[in-house]
Amino acid sequence: DAGVTQSPTHLIKTRGQQVTLRCSPKSGHDTVSWYQQALGQGPQFIFQYYEEEERQRGNFPDRFSGHQFPNYSSELNVNALLLGDSALYLCASSLGGGSSYNEQFFGPGTRLTVL
Amino acid sequence: AQKVTQAQTEISVVEKEDVTLDCVYETRDTTYYLFWYKQPPSGELVFLIRRNSFDEQNEISGRYSWNFQKSTSSFNFTITASQVVDSAVYFCALSESGGGTSYGKLTFGQGTILTVHP
Repeated sequence: DAGVTQSPTHLIKTRGQQVTLRCSPKSGHDTVSWYQQALGQGPQFIFQYYEEEERQRGNFPDRFSGHQFPNYSSELNVNALLLGDSALYLCASSLGGGSSYNEQFFGPGTRLTVL
Repeated sequence: AQKVTQAQTEISVVEKEDVTLDCVYETRDTTYYLFWYKQPPSGELVFLIRRNSFDEQNEISGRYSWNFQKSTSSFNFTITASQVVDSAVYFCALSESGGGTSYGKLTFGQGTILTVHP
């Protein structure tokens, strides 16, 4: 049973560029959440996708956008990269529209470095 | 607004010592869920336990135990007879029910770095 997978593992970009990160949820899961984890900090919620729609969003600017595909996989897009966007981006999957009760399974993350 | 505080930034112990990681939370919801996750150097968050706000029973799982006290808004985690493999960053997290509209957003504390020395 495959867990949550993310690609790429590492990414280096320069300021102003755009980046796309990808996530495949755990088998059977239909909900994907994205988190940003800066060095030495706890993960911060970016947004959550269910039924191909953004269900909830954290305090992140519109430069951060996402998409969910019919197979439940998801992409996170960040435009006009800033140095402060350097972080570990974590994807989490869960079942049933992201009920607060359901455990979220996390992927290994994508380490983004912005120079 | 929900908030989770882990006051201990780093803890260092010697193998076989017991260690307690503190977690204090804030929420206006009466229904909420508390979680502990472990993050080893590989970066992947590993789920350890979930507790709902109506269940204040303490729980023990092997060397791990959790003490949930609503009166003090605390959800502390104890590792008994620590081992080197327990070295990791541990996060406490809160998810509000929000009347069904919070959609499982997790609010994490800043984490506690636990180092267990041989």
